[in-house]
Amino acid sequence: EVQLVESGGGLVQPGGSLRLSCAASGFSVSSNYMSWVRQAPGKGLEWVSLIYSDGRTYYTDSVKGRFTISRHNSMNTLYLQVNSLRGEDTAVYYCVRENQNWGRGTLVTVSS
Amino acid sequence: EVVLTQSPATLSLSPGERGTLSCRASQSISTFLAWYQQKPGQAPRLLIYDASNRATGIPARFSGRGSGTDFTLTISSLEPEDFAVYYCQQRDKWPFTFGPGTKVDIK
Repeated sequence: EVQLVESGGGLVQPGGSLRLSCAASGFSVSSNYMSWVRQAPGKGLEWVSLIYSDGRTYYTDSVKGRFTISRHNSMNTLYLQVNSLRGEDTAVYYCVRENQNWGRGTLVTVSS
Repeated sequence: EVVLTQSPATLSLSPGERGTLSCRASQSISTFLAWYQQKPGQAPRLLIYDASNRATGIPARFSGRGSGTDFTLTISSLEPEDFAVYYCQQRDKWPFTFGPGTKVDIK
């Protein structure tokens, strides 16, 4: 059974950093494309970042230069390093396998 | 960026009725379109991928069609658990984008 469990969210001040993790089971994170999708409170969905099996990465414009997606194959874990956080980054961050399987999300709140 | 427009914003229906949701893309995306259902406090659930393929475990009352720029999701006979928000999403061009959603509520 495919499972995705996110962690690492929390309350952080503007300009701060966090590392979000997604522990995967039931498949290999290196053999699928993996993504982070976020949803601000009461708002719609935004595809933030993606990493393909060959290592290519993509970012939506609003996070370029601030967020970094990566994976640790032997730990079967996906990461999102989020730096220089802004209020508009406040959201639930979901880990997604291709577009099929979603974790429950981890909440990032950026506030002073 | 491919902009997806969904209509209507809200669809009020009774259980047993048929619901038709629309998604229009600002440029052609072939059939690289998915539909998701989201209930409050839950992650989105994939219903349809590549415009017309039901995801694993999705009931046959959900169907999708379309290609290019115009797509529809049809729920043939609404069950009580189908009242939720539905999003379309394209994966033809980066950045992948979502529509703003259609809320299906109880009439």
